[in-house]
Amino acid sequence: GAVVSQHPSRVICKSGTSVKIECRSLDFQATTMFWYRQFPKKSLMLMATSNEGSKATYEQGVEKDKFLINHASLTLSTLTVTSAHPEDSSFYICSATGEFPEAFFGQGTRLTVV
Amino acid sequence: QQQVKQSPQSLIVQKGGISIINCAYENTAFDYFPWYQQFPGKGPALLIAIRPDVSEKKEGRFTISFNKSAKQFSLHIMDSQPGDSATYFCAASMGWGATNKLIFGTGTLLAVQP
Repeated sequence: GAVVSQHPSRVICKSGTSVKIECRSLDFQATTMFWYRQFPKKSLMLMATSNEGSKATYEQGVEKDKFLINHASLTLSTLTVTSAHPEDSSFYICSATGEFPEAFFGQGTRLTVV
Repeated sequence: QQQVKQSPQSLIVQKGGISIINCAYENTAFDYFPWYQQFPGKGPALLIAIRPDVSEKKEGRFTISFNKSAKQFSLHIMDSQPGDSATYFCAASMGWGATNKLIFGTGTLLAVQP
């Protein structure tokens, strides 16, 4: 299958700072990328959908000013958690689709806000 | 209408046994049903997927059974191995492939005992 690389895999930041998470499709062009949040022992919750060159579409209840998504190229999307607080601590996962019908997921980023 | 209900929440199976996980949906517009496997601290990986025009799909030890009239689908893992111990998610989307957003089930934690 296609490879999606997510970086960093783990990050610890201080409350009030911003953190950027990168999602790259390594061997295909990702026309659509999705960002999910997952709490321990819970399912994946879709946060937003981004199409290359367009503004992201956020799910209901997701603060677009807190979770900034940029999909400037066909191989890179970024999620920036702005002014992070402890309640933003979670596992964030991206997925990407392109010429394949399937979605391929990154390895996830464990964010801890202290 | 957008929910995908998954059961059981957890499952213990002996090595060599059959693991069965069930999902049900309400929205008849769904027409892509993938199953994902997730290990702790990792992103989900696609196992197998099916469209509603077939009743069964088999790939190796993994089989999806699909009942369109009952709006149910299930994953069968034959000859279960300790390495299969993971969390399994069913999902559904409208439109073939994951270019449309996936709705995930609540997950099943599978433990295969040696």
